[in-house]
Amino acid sequence: GQQLNQSPQSMFIQEGEDVSMNCTSSSIFNTWLWYKQDPGEGPVLLIALYKAGELTSNGRLTAQFGITRKDSFLNISASIPSDVGIYFCAGTSPQGGSEKLVFGKGTKLTVNP
Amino acid sequence: NAGVTQTPKFQVLKTGQSMTLQCAQDMNHEYMSWYRQDPGMGLRLIHYSVGAGITDQGEVPNGYNVSRSTTEDFPLRLLSAAPSQTSVYFCASSYSSVSRGYFGPGTRLTVT
Repeated sequence: GQQLNQSPQSMFIQEGEDVSMNCTSSSIFNTWLWYKQDPGEGPVLLIALYKAGELTSNGRLTAQFGITRKDSFLNISASIPSDVGIYFCAGTSPQGGSEKLVFGKGTKLTVNP
Repeated sequence: NAGVTQTPKFQVLKTGQSMTLQCAQDMNHEYMSWYRQDPGMGLRLIHYSVGAGITDQGEVPNGYNVSRSTTEDFPLRLLSAAPSQTSVYFCASSYSSVSRGYFGPGTRLTVT
């Protein structure tokens, strides 16, 4: 099946630093999504990307849909302690008449105050 | 508007027992799906539904059954629980595709 390779697995940064994480795949996706999961909670959608080359921002978060449709990155600027959590990329592609969502394995972010 | 709700929040089962994880949404979403989350594995799709009366298998469907008799509810059944099914289970729903999913708070299941 389709797989997403998400990196890095974990990051330890100081408050105020910028963060960058990415996802790659050997398959083409129609949609790229970035989720954040806080401990004990379900994932929450941060940014959705629908077109190749699309660059979208949500506050301090910026994400891009790669031109080849096989990759995406998420940047967080000026990190703060509440950015701590696990960030997941996800991609969708048509399968059997509907779209299935495939998740990367996540990037665990720790922010030291 | 409660969004996506899941019950129970925690459950311990013995091997061979059966149970149903409940999922409900009040957003009139057509698409609903079940994922399991294991350490280091991300979220894996178990089953999904594109509307009432229609279900299909995801990546890891073995050992699980689903049905969708109403738009609002999408229960996940474990017929004979196994330790390998120890996991956190998330239900999600969306309007027109799983790409705009809203996730429930999860059910943490332990099978001993």
